[in-house]
Amino acid sequence: AQSVTQPDIHITVSEGASLELRCNYSYGATPYLFWYVQSPGQGLQLLLKYFSGDTLVQGIKGFEAEFKRSQSSFNLRKPSVHWSDAAEYFCAVGAQGSYIPTFGRGTSLIVHP
Amino acid sequence: GAGVSQTPSNKVTEKGKYVELRCDPISGHTALYWYRQSLGQGPEFLIYFQGTGAADDSGLPNDRFFAVRPEGSVSTLKIQRTERGDSAVYLCASSLAGLDQETQYFGPGTRLLVL
Repeated sequence: AQSVTQPDIHITVSEGASLELRCNYSYGATPYLFWYVQSPGQGLQLLLKYFSGDTLVQGIKGFEAEFKRSQSSFNLRKPSVHWSDAAEYFCAVGAQGSYIPTFGRGTSLIVHP
Repeated sequence: GAGVSQTPSNKVTEKGKYVELRCDPISGHTALYWYRQSLGQGPEFLIYFQGTGAADDSGLPNDRFFAVRPEGSVSTLKIQRTERGDSAVYLCASSLAGLDQETQYFGPGTRLLVL
């Protein structure tokens, strides 16, 4: 079975600063990897996903993530954070043939003006 | 078009009562999923529908939980004899066909509080 670890419960950054949210996964084969964002009172929205191919994945809202097999990581990055990026971010791992991803516990992003 | 909608947005009930939570998926989506999100946790899978049938209910915690999707569109999650531990946000998602690479579109959730 697959699992996901998001080691940071909270991350605080200043508006305009760069951001990196960490995600480590455990899975025996090539995983399917996802990043979702959840704003207060909103459902989860998919930011980006990786299935195969180029290990650097571009997503919506200026986010990107890099799959590093050697480190079992799929960290989310953004070069310049906006106040509207304050939200909860979830990393998830899935498997080929499985429609049910396993979610991490989330990282809460706080953006200071 | 419209996204996934869930009603009610909030539900407060007393221990031992019965509750129903409703999910309206995106029109044309055959796959529908229910998740439960406890405070400070990520969503946990409950049940998956492909059309009218429950293709995978392995995530339902016990037999107090049941879900239906009689016409292959709207789904209702039913919880009998609610317990305080059932308090959580219940999320619904839908996808076009239930394939592993498809995007799941989530609703805003129903926040259930059992007193």
